[in-house]
Amino acid sequence: DAGVIQSPRHEVTEMGQEVTLRCKPISGHDYLFWYRQTMMRGLELLIYFNNNVPIDDSGMPEDRFSAKMPNASFSTLKIQPSEPRDSAVYFCASSKGRQLFFGSGTQLSVL
Amino acid sequence: GENVEQHPSTLSVQEGDSAVIKCTYSDSASNYFPWYKQELGKRPQLIIDIRSNVGEKKDQRIAVTLNKTAKHFSLHITETQPEDSAVYFCAAEMYNNNDMRFGAGTRLTVKP
Repeated sequence: DAGVIQSPRHEVTEMGQEVTLRCKPISGHDYLFWYRQTMMRGLELLIYFNNNVPIDDSGMPEDRFSAKMPNASFSTLKIQPSEPRDSAVYFCASSKGRQLFFGSGTQLSVL
Repeated sequence: GENVEQHPSTLSVQEGDSAVIKCTYSDSASNYFPWYKQELGKRPQLIIDIRSNVGEKKDQRIAVTLNKTAKHFSLHITETQPEDSAVYFCAAEMYNNNDMRFGAGTRLTVKP
């Protein structure tokens, strides 16, 4: 199993541009999570899905952030328009039981 | 929702010494408490976990303790080695909730 796959690994964009982060969970896992990691705030839960349905998006910072999971093998996190304060590492994780399996993360830099 | 506090934010120990990281949680309904280790530039990975019906759990040099009454839990690493250097995150989750909340992390440095 290749584990949770995220793309891109690094993204550099200019303020105001749209950013789309992608995640492929481990096959058979029914939960998918998006986390944001910064030095100041640590690992923040943004949103999570169960069987492709969003369960809790209370961690999404504002309307500029949106997430979708059109099927069991794919999810996206979109930021539109992006701002410099969105710069962070974004992790996707999946689980079937209680253990989270994290992807390698996307390092986002918004200039 | 759940709020997890973690201390200290940084910890430096000499190789061979013990390291202790402490966390508190706010929601008494939480019943699952994992610890994740994140090496520099890598993804967080589960190293040990404990459920609320257990007070202590050990795995070689790592142990976790849980005090449900006080709502705090701790990670203990004995005989530390340089490869233990990493950021450690505690987390708490309510049963059947799958809403995992993490502490802010502790950067552990083990000096050879």
